[in-house]
Amino acid sequence: GAVVSQHPSWVICKSGTSVKIECRSLDFQATTMFWYRQFPKQSLMLMATSNEGSKATYEQGVEKDKFLINHASLTLSTLTVTSAHPEDSSFYICSARASGSHYNEQFFGPGTRLTVL
Amino acid sequence: AQSVTQLDSQVPVFEEAPVELRCNYSSSVSVYLFWYVQYPNQGLQLLLKYLSGSTLVKGINGFEAEFNKSQTSFHLRKPSVHISDTAEYFCAVYSNFGNEKLTFGTGTRLTIIP
Repeated sequence: GAVVSQHPSWVICKSGTSVKIECRSLDFQATTMFWYRQFPKQSLMLMATSNEGSKATYEQGVEKDKFLINHASLTLSTLTVTSAHPEDSSFYICSARASGSHYNEQFFGPGTRLTVL
Repeated sequence: AQSVTQLDSQVPVFEEAPVELRCNYSSSVSVYLFWYVQYPNQGLQLLLKYLSGSTLVKGINGFEAEFNKSQTSFHLRKPSVHISDTAEYFCAVYSNFGNEKLTFGTGTRLTIIP
């Protein structure tokens, strides 16, 4: 149980285009999902917290107009990187917190490797 | 604010030898502690967690960790490592009374030498 999937697993796009990444909780409902960014050989940096049915909460320094987050259902959150540029190339990981979890147990997706040319 | 320090960025260990990956945390309130493992190009997998109770926590793949409140540490150990343990290991802390976010350490790269 507690499986989180991400799609696509990797994507290559041209500079200036937009890319959408999906995060799904497959066997549980997640009122809260998190989006992280990981640069090579570095730790995970929280980008935003996504709550079902409401606006995402972005961390300081993360451009909300560039990284659009939608959490339309209890099992799906999407991250859209708009007008992507090479500096947006990174490994994006989502996680989902089960409804009712009191210690923020998060289940992580396998990640999406984004390469912007 | 809470923080996590993983002093060792890289740890090389011979196969079948024991290993300890160090983690220290800083928080003014009670915390929950986690160790995650990340294999190349994959997401994070939970190894073990400390919520309350016994300070010695056993996890998957033969790993265990000990919560030491006085030393604010949560070191990860394995008595005998295998080639398949080669991965990145992250310590993380969460508090219901802090910023309510999972805060990660910078990670330790464990390399098993045949």
